Amino acid sequence: GDSVTQMEGPVTLSEEAFLTINCTYTATGYPSLFWYVQYPGEGLQLLLKATKADDKGSNKGFEATYRKETTSFHLEKGSVQVSDSAVYFCALKGTDAGGTSYGKLTFGQGTILTVHP
Amino acid sequence: GAGVSQSPRYKVAKRGQDVALRCDPISGHVSLFWYQQALGQGPEFLTYFQNEAQLDKSGLPSDRFFAERPEGSVSTLKIQRTQQEDSAVYLCASSLEGGFTGELFFGEGSRLTVL
Repeated sequence: GDSVTQMEGPVTLSEEAFLTINCTYTATGYPSLFWYVQYPGEGLQLLLKATKADDKGSNKGFEATYRKETTSFHLEKGSVQVSDSAVYFCALKGTDAGGTSYGKLTFGQGTILTVHP
Repeated sequence: GAGVSQSPRYKVAKRGQDVALRCDPISGHVSLFWYQQALGQGPEFLTYFQNEAQLDKSGLPSDRFFAERPEGSVSTLKIQRTQQEDSAVYLCASSLEGGFTGELFFGEGSRLTVL
């Protein structure tokens, strides 16, 4: 079945540091890939997405590139801020070989990011 | 409403009690999902509705779990004879389209603690 593996956390950085959170996946067919973020006290929010190989999703300074050859979708940001402190979830939405999309998202276990001033 | 609303936000139940968790999706959203999130883990799919039809319930862990959405808007997740392993945050999410765009809008969740 589909699965998503995120790098072990938590991650602690100083403000303006470079961020990478690794995400790899296993899926049949042609999945779409997502990063969701959960800020303290709030619900999960879509951060960015990519629907096909080599697509780059970007939002709020974060980027992730859909790499089919390495089955990866690593999240990066060049300069983090204290306000980026949150839990980040990588997720996929699978499809079958005919392109039919399943209705559910499969999530990784989440990575806690803490950014200090 | 402006977002997905869930109630209660916190629920403590004694083992063996029945609980009901409510989800008010964004008005007009066709698709509604329930997820279970154990401590330190990512959300896991429970069930999916398109309007009032429950199209996928493959993630429900046992027949003690039951979900409904009778009028295609508000949904209720019911857990009968709760067990300690049911302790988790239960997340509801909705999506505008009946198709599977993957862009879900999540509520803040209902945290269930079973003693």
